[in-house]
Amino acid sequence: EDQVTQSPEALRLQEGESSSLNCSYTVSGLRGLFWYRQDPGKGPEFLFTLYSAGEEKEKERLKATLTKKESFLHITAPKPEDSATYLCAVLGDYKLSFGAGTTVTVRA
Amino acid sequence: ETGVTQTPRHLVMGMTNKKSLKCEQHLGHNAMYWYKQSAKKPLELMFVYSLEERVENNSVPSRFSPECPNSSHLFLHLHTLQPEDSALYLCASSQEGGTGAPGELFFGEGSRLTVL
Repeated sequence: EDQVTQSPEALRLQEGESSSLNCSYTVSGLRGLFWYRQDPGKGPEFLFTLYSAGEEKEKERLKATLTKKESFLHITAPKPEDSATYLCAVLGDYKLSFGAGTTVTVRA
Repeated sequence: ETGVTQTPRHLVMGMTNKKSLKCEQHLGHNAMYWYKQSAKKPLELMFVYSLEERVENNSVPSRFSPECPNSSHLFLHLHTLQPEDSALYLCASSQEGGTGAPGELFFGEGSRLTVL
């Protein structure tokens, strides 16, 4: 069965303090790995798709990378507006499986 | 209206009530989904309507009943729910096939359901 594990569960950062979120996965036939951002009281918002090991994608202060077993979401010099829950999902042969998310809080 | 809209945003119901959640997508997508989100748990797929075919998670209780009259509208009919069904119910859409990328979902803001 496909599994997605995100760590840490929660991350508290000072403004400007860079850090990384981890998404490790086991899947039969990876067809894509996806990152989403979810603000409190709202639905998830799509950020990135990664298809193969070595691939990287960037958007503002966020950079996603992919290896054969895990993905990292790097947040460079975060600002308070980067506070959110970040969800990882993997698409295998049969279905899309989500992780439980990492809640990031950035203090000014 | 743009994107994916869900109504109502909040719903409180008793265990014997019947209610429905509504979702409408304005993106021209050909697949729509219902997900359940509970605190600190992964999103749980309940139902998918893709290219007019319904796919469901066999673990979803029969007290949840989906309806998809066309590619832009999706309903979730609720009856005789239990308190453990209290959660955020998210609707999503995507474009399957062609230039679409499976897994790139566009979500609504959700319907927060409380069952008393």
